[in-house]
Amino acid sequence: GENVEQHPSTLSVQEGDSAVIKCTYSDSASNYFPWYKQELGKGPQLIIDIRSNVGEKKDQRIAVTLNKTAKHFSLHITETQPEDSAVYFCAAVARTDSWGKLQFGAGTQVVVTP
Amino acid sequence: GAVVSQHPSWVICKSGTSVKIECRSLDFQATTMFWYRQFPKQSLMLMATSNEGSKATYEQGVEKDKFLINHASLTLSTLTVTSAHPEDSSFYICSARDRRQGPEKLFFGSGTQLSVL
Repeated sequence: GENVEQHPSTLSVQEGDSAVIKCTYSDSASNYFPWYKQELGKGPQLIIDIRSNVGEKKDQRIAVTLNKTAKHFSLHITETQPEDSAVYFCAAVARTDSWGKLQFGAGTQVVVTP
Repeated sequence: GAVVSQHPSWVICKSGTSVKIECRSLDFQATTMFWYRQFPKQSLMLMATSNEGSKATYEQGVEKDKFLINHASLTLSTLTVTSAHPEDSSFYICSARDRRQGPEKLFFGSGTQLSVL
């Protein structure tokens, strides 16, 4: 089955700097890669996603890149703000006869200091 | 994004009692919903897939008699933790796909923190 590894586990950045989180996946059949932001005591919120036929996607200050050959994808947050502090999860899923189960990474605790 | 409502947000119960958690898709119909469990500082672990009008599919190692799932309508799935024990204390989160936004996008509820005394 799919295995998703996520690094780093914690990330401290100064407000205004950029943050990068990296994930690798094992199943070459995986073709959808979402990123979730989870604040303390809340459910995960979908912030951006990418499909395997696209190499990069951007939405304001966040962007995701995908390298299918190397089987890794990354989340980039620019001009970080204190409200970006949260746990971020990457995930991967392969479409079989229907969209299968999301396999999550272990999560990255991002702390943005003013 | 699509709205998935989960209730209650937190619950405390005595050991041996049962607790029901509700998950509703507010502005879309969901033939399939998913129940996850999350321990502190850990990732999300899929427990089961809830299918409207049929039996739920449980992941390996998840006791179906302990975690009863009912998906009686296209907008409501419930998870009942039966005969709860302290080791069942965890953060439970439901999710569903809104096919109007693409077949693959998964939206989560706000979660339920269960504490068993």
